[in-house]
This record gives sequence, C-alpha cells and structure tokens, in this order.
Amino acid sequence: GAVVSQHPSWVICKSGTSVKIECRSLDFQATTMFWYRQFPKQSLMLMATSNEGSKATYEQGVEKDKFLINHASLTLSTLTVTSAHPEDSSFYICSALKGFLMVDTEAFFGQGTRLTVV
Amino acid sequence: SQQGEEDPQALSIQEGENATMNCSYKTSINNLQWYRQNSGRGLVHLILIRSNEREKHSGRLRVTLDTSKKSSSLLITASRAADTASYFCATEGIGANSKLTFGKGITLSVRP
Repeated sequence: GAVVSQHPSWVICKSGTSVKIECRSLDFQATTMFWYRQFPKQSLMLMATSNEGSKATYEQGVEKDKFLINHASLTLSTLTVTSAHPEDSSFYICSALKGFLMVDTEAFFGQGTRLTVV
Repeated sequence: SQQGEEDPQALSIQEGENATMNCSYKTSINNLQWYRQNSGRGLVHLILIRSNEREKHSGRLRVTLDTSKKSSSLLITASRAADTASYFCATEGIGANSKLTFGKGITLSVRP
C-alpha cells in the first residue's frame, strides 16, 4: 500500500487566526492531491484538487482566498484556512493519487484533521 | 450534485451475519470504489470495480456493479465486530469529470 500522513490530527484555534494543514505522501510521489471537508455523519465534499507545480482547482462555492492550497513538491500539499471562523470547524481530509492518471487509480487518504475554531 | 447514494443509511447486524450495502449513482463512470471510515479517521480503500466489470471479490468482500441500473452493492460476509464503521461508495467520473464523488455513507454496526 501507500501511506499518506496528515498533520495535525486535530487543532483548536481562535477565531480570526490561520491554520495550516499538511498532507504528505510518505512512500510515493503524488502529482495530484485532493482536499475534502466532512461534516458530522455526512459525506466527503471535495474542496479542491491540488496539482504539483500549478494552481489548485477549486470546486464551485469554495473560496480560494479562504482556503489556500500549495502543492510545492511531489510529496507535500498544504491547506491553509485563513481568518478561520467557527463555521470553518470541520473534519478536513486529504487524499493523494499514486500515479499520474485519475482513471482507475486508487486514492490514498490521510487520517484527517479535526479543526475547531473557538 | 451528489453522485453516489447509499442505502440503507444505517445497518445493525449480529456478528457472523452478512451485511449488504447498496449504492446508486447518476452519471456514467469509469469505476466505482468502496471505502471504509472508522470514526474520526481517514478513509481506507476497500475495493475498486471498473465499469466493464460486473462482480469482484476481495477476501470477505463481494462487490457487484450494474451499469444499466447505475447501482452497486457491497457484501461483507461473516461480519465481525471489527467491521463496525462507515462505508462510502465513490464514483470516478469520465473525462472532464474524472474525480471521485462520494455518497453519504452507511453506518454499519456489528454486534458481538
């Protein structure tokens, strides 16, 4: 298998501050990573697709200035929640593709980050 | 719009029984995948079935895919308490829609 590490696993921050979440592929190179948001007992909602060396592609309704994504290397993508507010509290999960093509490719997920904004 | 829709939303069974979970989707797909999520954790890939496949097995898992009905089922045989988790189906779209879209998930409880 392949390992994706997400850090931190949980974070509590004050309203108005920014929080950075890291997603690392530990034993493979990932040109594409995905960031999801999951509300309690809900599905995973794709926020954005992170491509190494280029700008992320955001899903409709996701504010790119609010959720900054950087994919500077083949093993690391970061999601920064800027000026966080209580409504940003959620479970954020990243996934990485092992390979270059999406077609018929298994996605490997990080363990998720529980963000609580107080 | 939500692609995959699982049913039932919650399933409670006795250890040793079989668990059947269903997933329906709306648009054409490259493949359908099932994932498992333990509470507060990330997702673990269970099995992938391609659009030209009808049935696939992996250990105690059996997945079927009916593209004419746009539906899939996941069967877990001889369930164990450790199978207790949420299960999600995810569909990979075609071409420009080539990304994973997840259903709402099914909560499976296996009573010891």
